[in-house]
Amino acid sequence: ETGVTQTPRHLVMGMTNKKSLKCEQHLGHNAMYWYKQSAKKPLELMFVYNFKEQTENNSVPSRFSPECPNSSHLFLHLHTLQPEDSALYLCASSPAIRSGGNNEQFFGPGTRLTVL
Amino acid sequence: AQTVTQSQPEMSVQEAETVTLSCTYDTSESDYYLFWYKQPPSRQMILVIRQEAYKQQNATENRFSVNFQKAAKSFSLKISDSQLGDAAMYFCAYTTGNQFYFGTGTSLTVIP
Repeated sequence: ETGVTQTPRHLVMGMTNKKSLKCEQHLGHNAMYWYKQSAKKPLELMFVYNFKEQTENNSVPSRFSPECPNSSHLFLHLHTLQPEDSALYLCASSPAIRSGGNNEQFFGPGTRLTVL
Repeated sequence: AQTVTQSQPEMSVQEAETVTLSCTYDTSESDYYLFWYKQPPSRQMILVIRQEAYKQQNATENRFSVNFQKAAKSFSLKISDSQLGDAAMYFCAYTTGNQFYFGTGTSLTVIP
């Protein structure tokens, strides 16, 4: 398998459930990202990992908990979500974080999350 | 605050014609990169073109080119000879390294 993959592709959960989103990249990259994509809003960067270390947490509520066990895998653990958390969650990877920003990102297909 | 603005929520173009998508950004940084990404319906977001802020020359990738005006903080995308496969959401993005900022996107329709 090549590129960036995400599972599951679709997820419906209740507000009291606990679930996890998984992202895997087969590109040999060292940086991975979680984004939230909602209709008519800019893509929101949630978390950034560089060489397995979290480098950014953009004021994301604690009901979203990321985990990066190695440079190829990234998880987003979800618990007690709210209906407004329904969105497309995108994972991306890039070779590494570079000062100045030459960080072309490769995106996964996303997980469409619906919170009831 | 660093933001990216795409003022055209929707655009349409006749097949084989040219269309320009607008993007402006706000930053106090001098060293950064700008990107245009394409997201076809139900498909993955892919990079269309990239521009380094320190380069005055506008980037070009086949039928895609940009008009980068650093002083005006403008970064428009021109698609020439539009094809049906160009129909998608187009996102303008800006980054200095750790942080990435995206616009709200422009939905492009290509009319046969």
